[in-house]
Amino acid sequence: AQTVTQSQPEMSVQEAETVTLSCTYDTSESDYYLFWYKQPPSRQMILVIRQEAYKQQNATENRFSVNFQKAAKSFSLKISDSQLGDAAMYFCAYRYNAGKSTFGDGTTLTVKP
Amino acid sequence: GAVVSQHPSRVICKSGTSVKIECRSLDFQATTMFWYRQFPKKSLMLMATSNEGSKATYEQGVEKDKFLINHASLTLSTLTVTSAHPEDSSFYICSARRGLGVAGELFFGEGSRLTVL
Repeated sequence: AQTVTQSQPEMSVQEAETVTLSCTYDTSESDYYLFWYKQPPSRQMILVIRQEAYKQQNATENRFSVNFQKAAKSFSLKISDSQLGDAAMYFCAYRYNAGKSTFGDGTTLTVKP
Repeated sequence: GAVVSQHPSRVICKSGTSVKIECRSLDFQATTMFWYRQFPKKSLMLMATSNEGSKATYEQGVEKDKFLINHASLTLSTLTVTSAHPEDSSFYICSARRGLGVAGELFFGEGSRLTVL
């Protein structure tokens, strides 16, 4: 079974600084998708970034980028120039079959002004 | 971006009653929707996959007779918690997939907080 592990229950970062959230996963598949979702206090989950496993190039979306290490099954999220609005719970997710996603336990990010 | 709406956002009911939660994709057709349960500061636990026009597929350990799922149209899926008990109190989230297969993008509803007294 696929598992997703986020080893950092909580992280904090100073505004304008950079923070990296870690995620590892376990799978025997070679073609899959990885995602980072953000769940702010309003509770609606929104997609931050996605990575196709067959792509070697790391995905980037403005201040958000990932470090995808397929062999190590690692998928970390880097948030640059952190803003107060980045404060939220972040979930790493894996998707392989029929669109079903497996989520990590989440990392609560606090941004300090 | 695409919008998925859940209703109600909060519901309080008495033990033994049934509660229906709706999930609507407002600007796209979703043949597949997913229902999750989330405990405080915890991950999302997939309960079932809802497919338009067919029976839902439940994850192991989820009681299909307690959590009734209906996906009667391409824009609406409903979750009915039957004979609710306090242990059913939780945050329920739906997501709708736009596009086909594993590459389809998921859009999430705002979630519904169920409290069973």
